[in-house]
Amino acid sequence: EAGVVQSPRYKIIEKKQPVAFWCNPISGHNTLYWYRQNLGQGPELLIRYENEEAVDDSQLPKDRFSAERLKGVDSTLKIQPAELGDSAVYLCASRGQTDNEQFFGPGTRLTVL
Amino acid sequence: QKEVEQDPGPLSVPEGAIVSLNCTYSNSAFQYFMWYRQYSRKGPELLMYTYSSGNKEDGRFTAQVDKSSKYISLFIRDSQPSDSATYLCAMGYSGAGSYQLTFGKGTKLSVIP
Repeated sequence: EAGVVQSPRYKIIEKKQPVAFWCNPISGHNTLYWYRQNLGQGPELLIRYENEEAVDDSQLPKDRFSAERLKGVDSTLKIQPAELGDSAVYLCASRGQTDNEQFFGPGTRLTVL
Repeated sequence: QKEVEQDPGPLSVPEGAIVSLNCTYSNSAFQYFMWYRQYSRKGPELLMYTYSSGNKEDGRFTAQVDKSSKYISLFIRDSQPSDSATYLCAMGYSGAGSYQLTFGKGTKLSVIP
């Protein structure tokens, strides 16, 4: 069984540029999460999807971040414009049988210069 | 005070040692307690999950939860160099149709051959 796939693995951009991250969850997993992990910290939830519906986006900075999961499978997280403080690892996860069983992808490491 | 406190280490032990990793928490609403392992440049991987006070064993790993003290531990017996990673505790609760998962900062462990 393939795991959660994310791309790109690394991205370096200048501040004020846009950036997008892509995630393909484990087949059959209807719940998808995006997390941000700052250096030396644990992951923090940005948004949670149930199929194509965003059911928890309370932690998503909506002025510059957006996400979509149009067909309830793949998802894209976008930042526009990026700021220096957005440098972090962006992790995608999908849910197994319960919310306590989350399977994480390898993440996209974003560096904003 | 953060909801979940975890000593970031780093912790360095010789191969074969018993490792003890700990977290404390302040939110009595937490119902579920997890330990994730994160290798460098990888996403977190679920190691163990429990929802009750007491011990849960899985091979060389034992998770311990003391809800009265708001304290959880992960013990690793006969530690191996392959156990070198960052260990993240995570705590969750569900209610009113939502689910909240909060991670600790992670403890970086090195097992020296």
